[in-house]
Amino acid sequence: KQEVTQIPAALSVPEGENLVLNCSFTDSAIYNLQWFRQDPGKGLTSLLLIQSSQREQTSGRLNASLDKSSGRSTLYIAASQPGDSATYLCAVYETSGSRLTFGEGTQLTVNP
Amino acid sequence: NAGVMQNPRHLVRRRGQEARLRCSPMKGHSHVYWYRQLPEEGLKFMVYLQKENIIDESGMPKERFSAEFPKEGPSILRIQQVVRGDSAAYFCASSPQMRYEQYFGPGTRLTVT
Repeated sequence: KQEVTQIPAALSVPEGENLVLNCSFTDSAIYNLQWFRQDPGKGLTSLLLIQSSQREQTSGRLNASLDKSSGRSTLYIAASQPGDSATYLCAVYETSGSRLTFGEGTQLTVNP
Repeated sequence: NAGVMQNPRHLVRRRGQEARLRCSPMKGHSHVYWYRQLPEEGLKFMVYLQKENIIDESGMPKERFSAEFPKEGPSILRIQQVVRGDSAAYFCASSPQMRYEQYFGPGTRLTVT
């Protein structure tokens, strides 16, 4: 059974810092991996999608990497801003399944 | 191009009543997924549907819960005889094909009193 773990559970940083969020998964037979952002009381916004054959994806100040063999992904946020404060979720799509399996999320607070 | 739409956004039901949650996928998307987020917990898969077919319902409780995605109209998640433990945020996602990027709606927050 696939399990997804995100570390740390919560992170508080001053504005302007570069930061890394970690995601690990137990079964490397994945089709793709998605990073999402969730604001309090809101839905999920897709940030980046990495296919299993890719090593990384970039969008603006965000960069996500994938090491399928070791079961790890990282989300790098450059020059963090208060508007980046949210919960960041990692989810994997297994090759054998038909659903996303989510981690518990990292709650990020960027202080002005 | 409108995103995934869910209604109602907030729903209050008394114990024993029925709850009906609706999801309209993005235009051109024929695959719909329902997920549940219990308080202080992560999102858990419930059911995956294509038009008129349930593909995978392994995450849905066997009793009281049902889902459909008719040929015309939105997908419906139906919860009969709700209990307090059903209070959660229910999210719908859609994709153009299986294993493609999933786009999520704003969710329906169900409160059972």
